[in-house]
Amino acid sequence: QSALTQPPSASGSPGQSVTISCTGTSSDVGAYNYVSWYQQHPGKAPKLMIYEVTKRPSGVPDRFSGSKSGNTASLTVSGLQAEDEADYYCSSFAGSNNFELFGGGTKLTVL
Amino acid sequence: QITLKESGPTLVKPTQTVTLTCTVAGLSLSTNGVSVGWIRQPPGKALEWLALIYWDDDKRYSPSLKSRLAITKDTSKNQVVLTMTNMDPVDTATYYCAHRHRAWDAFDIWGQGTMVTVSS
Repeated sequence: QSALTQPPSASGSPGQSVTISCTGTSSDVGAYNYVSWYQQHPGKAPKLMIYEVTKRPSGVPDRFSGSKSGNTASLTVSGLQAEDEADYYCSSFAGSNNFELFGGGTKLTVL
Repeated sequence: QITLKESGPTLVKPTQTVTLTCTVAGLSLSTNGVSVGWIRQPPGKALEWLALIYWDDDKRYSPSLKSRLAITKDTSKNQVVLTMTNMDPVDTATYYCAHRHRAWDAFDIWGQGTMVTVSS
């Protein structure tokens, strides 16, 4: 099973909004509402930002939001701040055989 | 507070077998619903899910690596162990263990990771 497809990079100025896409197939993203997004700063472990497509764990700012349409999920970061500059990875449950797929990652730059 | 910490060798030779240990605190691995997984990340590259073990000893493996992986747990030590055989330089990566939230189906708590380099 191939990894989920993300754009390698995205950017925006402070205060702006940016959206990162994550494209899968009807066997993973399109089949389940178990899409997650992780933020990873250099040299650090990933941090869960979004689960079940749209939900935020406690402590994650509401500037981060998720959505899904068909086989493509999206992460939107509103009101960009300098600390949002990081790598972002999507993941999706892919059934009992493939279980979990990650995207290739998107490097978000705050200009 | 749940914490996970990975440990293992930092350098292994090609063809060798590596054993990585994830020590879990703040949560019993025998508690109903608990699961812990392993994810790796080669330098500068993306995350890749490897394996997962449930409280009831059910296991899941990445299809592409299934023949080389074995995941087990020691409930007396509250540890999850990942064994990977026939190591190759392409397996050089940071290996993370992470707690999978039962209801969210997401990895909500991660260890700090342990770097494994495969080189002769």
